[in-house]
Amino acid sequence: DSGVTQTPKHLITATGQRVTLRCSPRSGDLSVYWYQQSLDQGLQFLIQYYNGEERAKGNILERFSAQQFPDLHSELNLSSLELGDSALYFCASSVGAGASYNEQFFGPGTRLTVL
Amino acid sequence: AQTVTQSQPEMSVQEAETVTLSCTYDTSESNYYLFWYKQPPSRQMILVIRQEAYKQQNATENRFSVNFQKAAKSFSLKISDSQLGDTAMYFCAFMKNTGNQFYFGTGTSLTVIP
Repeated sequence: DSGVTQTPKHLITATGQRVTLRCSPRSGDLSVYWYQQSLDQGLQFLIQYYNGEERAKGNILERFSAQQFPDLHSELNLSSLELGDSALYFCASSVGAGASYNEQFFGPGTRLTVL
Repeated sequence: AQTVTQSQPEMSVQEAETVTLSCTYDTSESNYYLFWYKQPPSRQMILVIRQEAYKQQNATENRFSVNFQKAAKSFSLKISDSQLGDTAMYFCAFMKNTGNQFYFGTGTSLTVIP
């Protein structure tokens, strides 16, 4: 157990809908990262938040947005869902912002299925 | 841009034998980190080993070791005395020295055969 929690574990929804994925980082970690793992692919970095502020952005679609709250949990919002958004979404957390190496600890992931 | 390539989609090895997984990467950075992550059927991402690019010595963690060839931009993982629990997807990953995001390869599915 990495100490990072993600809810829900599974989510099934229809095209055009909107969903919210939730992540709670390890105690003491200030950074949260979101990754998308599509079928037979490696993880793709989406976005990073550090202490409530957006820190880095990767290949995140405009239909997707995220935020980190004062209690440091983070939510990833996916809207106007398409079939291709079906994937495993991972959250990871680390102590620092990225000025130097900080190990990222991964949560168990949320499996999103868009029908 | 950074790219990570794993050219072996699937591999298998007999229990107790040794297997090597390949990874190449492309970057213009001089300082960076390289990683191997294991993803078993549970889907949990587990760090196997990490290598700092400025270190010439290859990293080792028990039965896991790497062959880091910086000039060739090659980073292979050797698993000795393979165990059934090593059956998993293995991902090679790159991170810049000012680390905040991973660049992952597409993975190698390893099956350990009893």
